[in-house]
Amino acid sequence: VQLLESGGGLVQPGGSLRLSCAASGFTFSSFAMSWVRQAPGKGLEWVSGISGGGGTTYHADSVKGRFTISRDNSKNTLYLQMNSLRAEDTAVYYCAKDLSGVTKYYFDYWGQGTLVTVSS
Amino acid sequence: QSALTQPRSVSGSPGQSVTISCTGTSSDVGDYNYVSWYQQHPGKAPKLMIYDVTKRPSGVPDRFSASKSGNTASLTISGLQAEDEADYYCCSSTGTYTIFGGGTKLTVL
Repeated sequence: VQLLESGGGLVQPGGSLRLSCAASGFTFSSFAMSWVRQAPGKGLEWVSGISGGGGTTYHADSVKGRFTISRDNSKNTLYLQMNSLRAEDTAVYYCAKDLSGVTKYYFDYWGQGTLVTVSS
Repeated sequence: QSALTQPRSVSGSPGQSVTISCTGTSSDVGDYNYVSWYQQHPGKAPKLMIYDVTKRPSGVPDRFSASKSGNTASLTISGLQAEDEADYYCCSSTGTYTIFGGGTKLTVL
């Protein structure tokens, strides 16, 4: 199993960014996926989750209305569209695979993370 | 969606046992059996150690065990080893969202 995130970088407050996570080594469409972030020196924070089929999505209150999780099972890729970014969104963003096809949030595989820095 | 409460740090000597607590509420830990625990070494991605309150994924040593009582979950590490030194996070899920604890730094003396 491999999860490879990309798309992180420096963005100004109020800006947008789209993260991608390329998955391989497992049947992507059979498993729920999530994004989890970790601010520098801080703990883990779940951001968004999506079912294996993509029909069900969930977002943390802190990002609801600003972030959108999606997936393209034909490309084995998970996305996170981040709009209206704030300084407090600065973090390493991890892509994480769930143990099941529904969001139980048991993450058995994680990517290496991509850093998003929101600053002027 | 408030973070679960964990002690900031715990410590123990090699061979000893330590227990890390994780306190939530009747709306999360107390109401669902979707509790998991993660180990994170510095600069690394987290690793799933426990799920469904007490289950260990393949490859996790049986020195790691967990339980839940009411609104509090606990992770016990017995026979401490130097490589167990890491940050540990509990996690409680409802199906629609999940929340992590603030993390506990385990120091092996």
